[in-house]
Amino acid sequence: DVRLLESGGGLVQPGDSLRLSCTASGFTFSRSDMSWVRQAPGKGLEWVSAISGDGRNIYYADSVRGRFTFSRDNSKNTLFLQMNSLRAEDTAVYYCAKDPGGYSDYWGQGTLVTVSS
Amino acid sequence: DIQMTQSPSTLSASVGDRVTITCRASQTINNYLAWYQQKPGKAPKLLIYKASSLESGVPSRFSGSESGTEFTLSISGLQPDDFATYYCQQYWRYPRTFGQGTKVEIK
Repeated sequence: DVRLLESGGGLVQPGDSLRLSCTASGFTFSRSDMSWVRQAPGKGLEWVSAISGDGRNIYYADSVRGRFTFSRDNSKNTLFLQMNSLRAEDTAVYYCAKDPGGYSDYWGQGTLVTVSS
Repeated sequence: DIQMTQSPSTLSASVGDRVTITCRASQTINNYLAWYQQKPGKAPKLLIYKASSLESGVPSRFSGSESGTEFTLSISGLQPDDFATYYCQQYWRYPRTFGQGTKVEIK
């Protein structure tokens, strides 16, 4: 079975950094494009970033470009989202997802990031 | 960026009803559209991809269609498990964008 497990969320202050991880199993990770999607409390879904299977192609939403860095370690079946200069508006549940063709067919359970002073 | 305009934002329906949710893209997306269902506190679940392809394991009462830049998710014979929020998403161009969501409530 495909499993995605996010970790690393928590409460941080504005301007702080945080690194999220997503550990994958049950599929050929290195061949799979992956993405991060977030959801602010009570709001809709917002696409954050996507990465190709080999890690060479990475795309970002304008709202996070220059502050967030998406990377992967295919030897450990793990994704990373390095989030710097965090803002209150980055408060959300962050989901990692598997993208077989641009859409997301499997999602993790999410990890909550709260940015507040 | 491609804007996805989803309507209605809320829909009240009864078990057994046929419901339709619409998503309009601001430009052509060549049917690169997905539909997701989300229940409170849970991750989204893929229902439809490529506008009308049913994801494996999803009941056949769910269907998707398209007409140009307008896309429709239909649920025929609404079941108690279908009361949830539904989102469309285009994946033709980056940044990928979602519709605002449609909450299907019990009438």
